[in-house]
Amino acid sequence: DGGITQSPKYLFRKEGQNVTLSCEQNLNHDAMYWYRQDPGQGLRLIYYSQIVNDFQKGDIAEGYSVSREKKESFPLTVTSAQKNPTAFYLCASSYGQGRSYEQYFGPGTRLTVT
Amino acid sequence: QKEVEQDPGPLSVPEGAIVSLNCTYSNSAFQYFMWYRQYSRKGPELLMYTYSSGNKEDGRFTAQVDKSSKYISLFIRDSQPSDSATYLCAMTYPTDSWGKLQFGAGTQVVVTP
Repeated sequence: DGGITQSPKYLFRKEGQNVTLSCEQNLNHDAMYWYRQDPGQGLRLIYYSQIVNDFQKGDIAEGYSVSREKKESFPLTVTSAQKNPTAFYLCASSYGQGRSYEQYFGPGTRLTVT
Repeated sequence: QKEVEQDPGPLSVPEGAIVSLNCTYSNSAFQYFMWYRQYSRKGPELLMYTYSSGNKEDGRFTAQVDKSSKYISLFIRDSQPSDSATYLCAMTYPTDSWGKLQFGAGTQVVVTP
């Protein structure tokens, strides 16, 4: 079955530690995205990537970093510089140019930092 | 002011009723309009998308876009308890071909048996 996988489902970290969230897709999509969801705020774009080895900042990129070494993978690192990292993180993908409004989401990773 | 406004609810309806959801937006450049359904602690799933103005129907779901009023709606007929979820509207510009979507905050819907 084609789809997007995110791991782990739940993640707990101490303040000051970097943490990497995994996102893999086997839909053969060109574009991939990372969103953050907080209660009552909808989804906010962190980073997006159109092709391998290229990515752009979204609306709230500060304190996050990404890489896109393979078409199928788009990991997100939440660094210690992110002031409020506790949130629900969602990865998405699309075919890209011409159909990028059709985004398909993974199941999400809930990160708790204490 | 947010670009996309959506009432967070919760919206509670009895089984079989019509659910009416809407979003307003401020940017007239938006051309693609989407509705996503998100069950608790899950990722959103794309329900429907429409381009520009008009109506689109898919089974029990109808999406409407009124660009003159900057207002979009989603109607769910014959609602079922399984429709209980948060519904997110999203929209984007045609010139932004790589799909930076602007989301509403989501409306929580509860369908009671």
